[in-house]
Amino acid sequence: GAGVSQSPSNKVTEKGKDVELRCDPISGHTALYWYRQSLGQGLEFLIYFQGNSAPDKSGLPSDRFSAERTGGSVSTLTIQRTQQEDSAVYLCASSLSRAFNYGYTFGSGTRLTVV
Amino acid sequence: GESVGLHLPTLSVQEGDNSIINCAYSNSASDYFIWYKQESGKGPQFIIDIRSNMDKRQGQRVTVLLNKTVKHLSLQIAATQPGDSAVYFCAENFGNEKLTFGTGTRLTIIP
Repeated sequence: GAGVSQSPSNKVTEKGKDVELRCDPISGHTALYWYRQSLGQGLEFLIYFQGNSAPDKSGLPSDRFSAERTGGSVSTLTIQRTQQEDSAVYLCASSLSRAFNYGYTFGSGTRLTVV
Repeated sequence: GESVGLHLPTLSVQEGDNSIINCAYSNSASDYFIWYKQESGKGPQFIIDIRSNMDKRQGQRVTVLLNKTVKHLSLQIAATQPGDSAVYFCAENFGNEKLTFGTGTRLTIIP
């Protein structure tokens, strides 16, 4: 597609449940990023995929968070045993390469609410 | 750790006036900076970027100024319009594969 697509756009889940968030990057973009945006806050880095290299997981806040990227394209962010503090907008972005030109292209995000 | 901060969380500007949004960064090794605009319910959208070997870069109605001496970045928006109302983020990169974002400034255009 023309842009980065994320689904679902909104997700309400009960505390303790697992959730999966999906990201379809721009075709041909080798780099894919997940960020988290809490209300009124900046963007917090979570994880970064670049081609076939091992992902940079340094931003994942706990072992309840994991992500994978299949076939160098679609990525899924999984949050296990969700907590209320996980409520945020989860943004996915992609870029052509690690050499930044025009930075990232972001999707519209998934708004996660844990009740 | 390194961080990118903004001087003001909110800014209100009369329609037609110019806006200036400021950003301070702390990593002197940062060599690439971007301004993003985020409208309600949408992801951040690229506005303009600048590399550390430049002091100024102009786009359509926007100008980014970089002062490396005081590690300061600003975004100037000329002749603001209602559609400019949004949250503006600066972001920095220092040679790795991640951008570090500031908290953001909410710009409100007063009709």
